[in-house]
Amino acid sequence: DVKVTQSSRYLVKRTGEKVFLECVQDMDHENMFWYRQDPGLGLRLIYFSYDVKMKEKGDIPEGYSVSREKKERFSLILESASTNQTSMYLCASKPGGNGAYEQYFGPGTRLTVT
Amino acid sequence: GENVEQHPSTLSVQEGDSAVIKCTYSDSASNYFPWYKQELGKGPQLIIDIRSNVGEKKDQRIAVTLNKTAKHFSLHITETQPEDSAVYFCAASNRNTGGFKTIFGAGTRLFVKA
Repeated sequence: DVKVTQSSRYLVKRTGEKVFLECVQDMDHENMFWYRQDPGLGLRLIYFSYDVKMKEKGDIPEGYSVSREKKERFSLILESASTNQTSMYLCASKPGGNGAYEQYFGPGTRLTVT
Repeated sequence: GENVEQHPSTLSVQEGDSAVIKCTYSDSASNYFPWYKQELGKGPQLIIDIRSNVGEKKDQRIAVTLNKTAKHFSLHITETQPEDSAVYFCAASNRNTGGFKTIFGAGTRLFVKA
């Protein structure tokens, strides 16, 4: 059974802290994604990765960075957390190939920055 | 930029009634249109999808229709049940970006009253 796991369900951090959100998938998918979900705005793409050590900016990359050292793991980093980064963060993965396919989502991490 | 508009934002129906959610997309190159269901405390999960070479697809109580000319697509749920209560997201994916950039609608919160 397909599985995407995220390291924390809930996280509370202080302004200015460096925050790491971890995501692991067990489906051997080439592609991984980080989204943030806010009410009324749907899901917005922060970064994606199509291979190990490869990354591409999404629509809202400012204030975030990512790391993909291993195929199964994709990390989202908030270099200096700010209150406007309080949100639900969703990780997803999908198979490789030049096509559009279903994305498999993790359960999400609800981050609060105070 | 490209966007997907989704209506309504909230929908309340009586158990057994039908529910319809409508989306409009702006990118004429979009060729893959998934619908995701997000239950409380979980990540979104694909429930049905349609590709641009098909006008309609059905899976038991769920159906999706696509009008490429008008750039509209809709989700139809018949004989609704309380377990259909969730947030539903439509999305559009562009073949020119290898399906990496999926644009999501803002979501529809569906309540099914028993």
